[in-house]
Amino acid sequence: KNQVEQSPQSLIILEGKNCTLQCNYTVSPFSNLRWYKQDTGRGPVSLTIMTFSENTKSNGRYTATLDADTKQSSLHITASQLSDSASYICVVMWDSNYQLIWGAGTKLIIKP
Amino acid sequence: DTAVSQTPKYLVTQMGNDKSIKCEQNLGHDTMYWYKQDSKKFLKIMFSYNNKELIINETVPNRFSPKSPDKAHLNLHINSLELGDSAVYFCASSQEELAGGPGYNEQFFGPGTRLTVL
Repeated sequence: KNQVEQSPQSLIILEGKNCTLQCNYTVSPFSNLRWYKQDTGRGPVSLTIMTFSENTKSNGRYTATLDADTKQSSLHITASQLSDSASYICVVMWDSNYQLIWGAGTKLIIKP
Repeated sequence: DTAVSQTPKYLVTQMGNDKSIKCEQNLGHDTMYWYKQDSKKFLKIMFSYNNKELIINETVPNRFSPKSPDKAHLNLHINSLELGDSAVYFCASSQEELAGGPGYNEQFFGPGTRLTVL
């Protein structure tokens, strides 16, 4: 069964600290993997899109890594800011029918 | 502002009613989508639509129907609303022409419509 699992479910860190969010997937065949940021009460916003041939991709203070062999991805946030408080969702495209398989997200709270 | 917009933002209605949610994108994209986000926060694709093809998630009841008056709009009509339809519905759009297939390019999401069925 095609699934995307994220950990931790929620995370609280202090402003200025770094953190890493994890994503494991069983989607096969896999085409690309995306990380989205969803603020409370808003729609998701794309942070990165990586194909199976890419190992890392950065977007400002956000760096995503991908290991297609172990089917794992991580999102590293550097020098966290209060505005980083949001849910971060890992999404994998199933290459069989281009369907996007969504994870449940990690709820990140940044405290001052 | 270039964006994907949805109306209304909140919709409260009685079981059995028929309702519509409107979506407009001014990004010039060729493909639009409807997603349902349930209480567990998973987003599930309901429909994707471009001027050539409507792709329906087979798990979506036929009480739900997308209607596209033009390339910039994809409205969601829901008949005979049920309690289980309560959720947040997101519209999205992307530019898929010349991409590897539908869903390959970045999708831009609207702010969501929170539907509550009483």
